[in-house]
Amino acid sequence: AQKVTQAQTEISVVEKEDVTLDCVYETRDTTYYLFWYKQPPSGELVFLIRRNSFDEQNEISGRYSWNFQKSTSSFNFTITASQVVDSAVYFCALPTSGSARQLTFGSGTQLTVLP
Amino acid sequence: DSGVTQTPKHLITATGQRVTLRCSPRSGDLSVYWYQQSLDQGLQFLIQYYNGEERAKGNILERFSAQQFPDLHSELNLSSLELGDSALYFCASSPELANYNEQFFGPGTRLTVL
Repeated sequence: AQKVTQAQTEISVVEKEDVTLDCVYETRDTTYYLFWYKQPPSGELVFLIRRNSFDEQNEISGRYSWNFQKSTSSFNFTITASQVVDSAVYFCALPTSGSARQLTFGSGTQLTVLP
Repeated sequence: DSGVTQTPKHLITATGQRVTLRCSPRSGDLSVYWYQQSLDQGLQFLIQYYNGEERAKGNILERFSAQQFPDLHSELNLSSLELGDSALYFCASSPELANYNEQFFGPGTRLTVL
């Protein structure tokens, strides 16, 4: 069965600090995709990134970067020079193996960036 | 804006009542998913439809049901409501069923059962 673990329940940093959010997953699939979503205080879920299991190159998008390591089943998310607007709950997610491909979410990490 | 719409945004009702949550997927998306987000259970998958047919069920109570209509919008019906049903209900859509398709989420319906 799929499982996603986000061990960090809450993280608090001061603006401009770098912060890394951890995600560890379990799957029996040999090829799979992983996702990160952001849930700001307003409540909506915003898609951030999709990565596939056969591409382990780090991805960078502005201040965001993602480190995917298949050997350790981890897909970590780093925010560089954090800003107050980055304050949100961040979820890592993995589609199921079944045909419906519903997402299994981690429990989320609440990130608070203090001014 | 994800392109997925959900109505109503907020719903306050009493125990024992029945409510209907509505979702319109992004234009062209055939697949609709319903998720429930509560403090104790986190984000959990409820049910999924693809082009009008039910494709998967998750932790959905028997008191809950859903359907997807020919125009692809979907409704989630919650009946005999209990206090524990209070949660944020999300609808998400994706073009197909492939595991590389990201799901785009609507703004959610916040249900409060008093």
